[in-house]
Amino acid sequence: EVQLVESGGGLVKPGGSLRISCAGSGFTLSTAWMSWVRQAPGKGLEWVGRIKSKSDGDTTDYAAPVKGRFTISRDDSENIVYLQMNSLKAEDTAVYFCAAALNNWFDPWGQGTLVTVSS
Amino acid sequence: DIVMTQSPDSLAVSLGERATINCKSSQSVLYISNNKNYLAWYQQKPGQPPKVLIYWASTRESGVPDRFSGSGSVTDFTLTISSLQAEDVAVYYCQQYYTTPSFGQGTKVEIK
Repeated sequence: EVQLVESGGGLVKPGGSLRISCAGSGFTLSTAWMSWVRQAPGKGLEWVGRIKSKSDGDTTDYAAPVKGRFTISRDDSENIVYLQMNSLKAEDTAVYFCAAALNNWFDPWGQGTLVTVSS
Repeated sequence: DIVMTQSPDSLAVSLGERATINCKSSQSVLYISNNKNYLAWYQQKPGQPPKVLIYWASTRESGVPDRFSGSGSVTDFTLTISSLQAEDVAVYYCQQYYTTPSFGQGTKVEIK
């Protein structure tokens, strides 16, 4: 079964850092374009960024609100994708989902991990 | 960046009636070389991740009931639920994957 499981969310102070993880099973993450999508409480979906597949050069793209603060990386030996979040702000509070674009659209999705930025 | 705009923001439909959600992109998401519209529709229920319903604007994902259909091309798209069931209460999002991904703001569907 193809599955994604996020972990590492929690409470962090403004200006702090946090790294969250997305572990894959049933497929090799390096073959997919892996994205992070967030959802602030009661709000809609916001694409955060992605890392392309190994065959497409492992390049990354980021949404404007997080560019320069967030970094996506991948550990192929562990089949995990990471989202490193620095200089966190209150407006970064959200459930963070990882999602695989195996065929362009997002499927599968993980269940999400909650990141709360508050003093 | 492509901006996706959905309408309405919410709608209430009687059980068994039709629900129609519109999605407009700020620029074309039709890739001329393969004549495919790079647009998907998702359903999200409370406490769950989104689930893909439709991709390539009109192709239904395996296992999705045939009361869900997608239509449209270039910049204007529609998701139709032909006969609303209680389990269809959810928020629906369109998403373009023509360039860096972007979502519509969501449409909340409720029972009247």
